[in-house]
Amino acid sequence: GENVEQHPSTLSVQEGDSAVIKCTYSDSASNYFPWYKQELGKGPQLIIDIRSNVGEKKDQRIAVTLNKTAKHFSLHITETQPEDSAVYFCAPSGGGADGLTFGKGTHLIIQP
Amino acid sequence: GAVVSQHPSRVICKSGTSVKIECRSLDFQATTMFWYRQFPKQSLMLMATSNEGSKATYEQGVEKDKFLINHASLTLSTLTVTSAHPEDSSFYICSARVGGASYTFGSGTRLTVV
Repeated sequence: GENVEQHPSTLSVQEGDSAVIKCTYSDSASNYFPWYKQELGKGPQLIIDIRSNVGEKKDQRIAVTLNKTAKHFSLHITETQPEDSAVYFCAPSGGGADGLTFGKGTHLIIQP
Repeated sequence: GAVVSQHPSRVICKSGTSVKIECRSLDFQATTMFWYRQFPKQSLMLMATSNEGSKATYEQGVEKDKFLINHASLTLSTLTVTSAHPEDSSFYICSARVGGASYTFGSGTRLTVV
């Protein structure tokens, strides 16, 4: 099965600064790399994903970069805002019919 | 986009009773749904995969007789926690694949067993 490690577990940044969260995985067959945002008391919500044929993807203030050789991918949030405060999870997968293996999560705190 | 509706959002039950949680795909058909459990300040852990018209498959360590899953139609999967105990108190979340490798999640059910 997939072993997923996510760092850091907690990240506190000043509003307006950038935040980067890294996810390392073990299964070289993984080809789908999503990031989810979970607010308190809610289910996770997909915020960005990337597939293995692409090295980087950007959506406004959010970007994901992938290094398949090193088996890690990262979430980048620029110009952070208070509403970015949440727990973020990575969940790399092989794109099959199985459920997801999530990282342990990163609690992002945006300091005003 | 594809939406999964989960009910109830919160439930409190007494020890020894059973609780049913529903998960519906609103605008698409889901032959497979997934059930996760999340304890406070922890990650989501896959409990079982619900297959329409067939038996669910459970992850190692998850008791199939305690967590009954029924997926009787292409839009509805239910999870019943039987003979609930306080240690079953958790946040339960359902999910469905929505094409390719993308997944959508329900809003979760906070179960408290007293």
